[in-house]
Amino acid sequence: QQQVKQSPQSLIVQKGGIPIINCAYENTAFDYFPWYQQFPGKGPALLIAIRPDVSEKKEGRFTISFNKSAKQFSLHIMDSQPGDSATYFCAARQGGSEKLVFGKGTKLTVNP
Amino acid sequence: EAGVAQSPRYKIIEKRQSVAFWCNPISGHATLYWYQQILGQGPKLLIQFQNNGVVDDSQLPKDRFSAERLKGVDSTLKIQPAKLEDSAVYLCASSLLGTGGYGYTFGSGTRLTVV
Repeated sequence: QQQVKQSPQSLIVQKGGIPIINCAYENTAFDYFPWYQQFPGKGPALLIAIRPDVSEKKEGRFTISFNKSAKQFSLHIMDSQPGDSATYFCAARQGGSEKLVFGKGTKLTVNP
Repeated sequence: EAGVAQSPRYKIIEKRQSVAFWCNPISGHATLYWYQQILGQGPKLLIQFQNNGVVDDSQLPKDRFSAERLKGVDSTLKIQPAKLEDSAVYLCASSLLGTGGYGYTFGSGTRLTVV
């Protein structure tokens, strides 16, 4: 059972574009939603995270939008750069635990 | 701060053989996780340790997988016997106790190929 559904599977944008990656969940017990960035041959690295009592969080060029009623959240990358080319994973944490459930990932390619 | 160390980086074995992976977490991180990442999928938690005790191993295939964390520091994950479907990257992560997953730091992983 996939608890966090992520789309699209892959995404290609031009430099300066604004890629958007979407995730949806069903479990209302999730209480923390991080995004991870993974480069080939490396482990995932925490990019930005949000709690469900906040509708938007921005860190540099990365923004999370969170819609609690729809149980959806998304990652926006402003002014995307070729160096942002990586696989992005959304995740969710079960309240009261430290266990993260990950989406299937989105492979982002930013062309020069 | 040194990161999470894992070894080996790559391993190729035949099915039914055994294999072991090693992880050294960030110093002071009481919580250690092993995740399995199959190609094209997100990481899936196999087991979580807090110090040297198991917190969650509900998704660990216990008939073939085992893990231990002696003295609450290093950890090993073993597969015996391996199956073709075990081909994946095995990621180790650690975090400070009580950070609720905020401080997850992943290692670079061990890529296992079972042929």
